[in-house]
Amino acid sequence: EPEVTQTPSHQVTQMGQEVILRCVPISNHLYFYWYRQILGQKVEFLVSFYNNEISEKSEIFDDQFSVERPDGSNFTLKIRSTKLEDSAMYFCASSEALIGGGRRRETQYFGPGTRLLVL
Amino acid sequence: QKEVEQNSGPLSVPEGAIASLNCTYSDRGSQSFFWYRQYSGKSPELIMFIYSNGDKEDGRFTAQLNKASQYVSLLIRDSQPSDSATYLCAVNSLGRSSGSARQLTFGSGTQLTVLP
Repeated sequence: EPEVTQTPSHQVTQMGQEVILRCVPISNHLYFYWYRQILGQKVEFLVSFYNNEISEKSEIFDDQFSVERPDGSNFTLKIRSTKLEDSAMYFCASSEALIGGGRRRETQYFGPGTRLLVL
Repeated sequence: QKEVEQNSGPLSVPEGAIASLNCTYSDRGSQSFFWYRQYSGKSPELIMFIYSNGDKEDGRFTAQLNKASQYVSLLIRDSQPSDSATYLCAVNSLGRSSGSARQLTFGSGTQLTVLP
């Protein structure tokens, strides 16, 4: 069964450094998402991406964050200058369709996550 | 502010019993509702989705939706120790602009322990 994959599984970085988290969505999916989960807290939406542009973003997704689909398979999240409070699990998700495709096709499937630790 | 509320638990049930997990949501415009299971340190794993009022059954799992009461529940029959996890309720909300991708709003999860 197709899966969303993410690399690296763990990333340790120094405060102020740039990190890039990578995701390979399910191949026939068109909508891509990033979520984060701070330890012990809720899963929070960061950004959605469709047709090579940001579709929606949350208040968390400030100018320090950016997303990109550099090729036909990868989807990346860049944090420009990491802060201690960026330490979290970052999940990539993808869905096949948005509307008009039936509810199963709008279901979001999550990757295994990248655990980011900022020191 | 869209809110999804769940009892955090922990909820303990004996093996073979029925576990009942509840969720309420604030946005009346919400259209699709999902239950994910999350093991410690792992990513959310889809169990079921529901979008029509009433019950939806899938194996040992039954999701129930009442849009008038803004309430979603998940029943797990014949609970097994392997069902021990945190269960996340998620609600799919329309984005701010027409046709934009829908974001999931998650509850804080209910921690379920099934005792052998």
